[in-house]
Amino acid sequence: NAGVTQTPKFRVLKTGQSMTLLCAQDMNHEYMYWYRQDPGMGLRLIHYSVGEGTTAKGEVPDGYNVSRLKKQNFLLGLESAAPSQTSVYFCASTPPGASSHNEQFFGPGTRLTVL
Amino acid sequence: AQTVTQSQPEMSVQEAETVTLSCTYDTSESDYYLFWYKQPPSRQMILVIRQEAYKQQNATENRFSVNFQKAAKSFSLKISDSQLGDAAMYFCAYYSGGSNYKLTFGKGTLLTVNP
Repeated sequence: NAGVTQTPKFRVLKTGQSMTLLCAQDMNHEYMYWYRQDPGMGLRLIHYSVGEGTTAKGEVPDGYNVSRLKKQNFLLGLESAAPSQTSVYFCASTPPGASSHNEQFFGPGTRLTVL
Repeated sequence: AQTVTQSQPEMSVQEAETVTLSCTYDTSESDYYLFWYKQPPSRQMILVIRQEAYKQQNATENRFSVNFQKAAKSFSLKISDSQLGDAAMYFCAYYSGGSNYKLTFGKGTLLTVNP
């Protein structure tokens, strides 16, 4: 199993450009999450999904959109990138139910720089 | 809203010594989970240890153990026999069940291990 993968690993954008970050998991997990990590801020939840076709806002959703058309994929979109969106983005997934103990499995992260 | 506080931005320890990282949290719920995640320079988020709030016994994983004080809302991580490979950013995280689904992270503690 590859676990949770993220594409791309690095990206530089100019202000106003758009892009999509792809998260894929091969563990058949129901729940998926997008976080951003900024220095001194820990990880903050952007959006999450509790199943195929469903998404919900997290703590810092403004400027981002997401889609979960397939269970294994969770896409994060930036329609018009801003310098404030320079960050490291992490995707995570977890299976539902008590057996998971609510452990989230993280991808390797995507470093995004917006100039 | 739940909050997680890590009051030590940086800590250092001598190799083979013991170090304790502090974490406090604020919640009105009685059923929840607490986690410590390690983030080495590779950026990968690695689960170190997990504690269920309904369990009175402190969790232990090899050299890592926690001191969970539910009434005080405190969840500290003790690393015994510190090794150079323990150098990393450590994040405390809180998860509540029900419909919330999200992890709330502290801002992290950067641990340096001196040879």
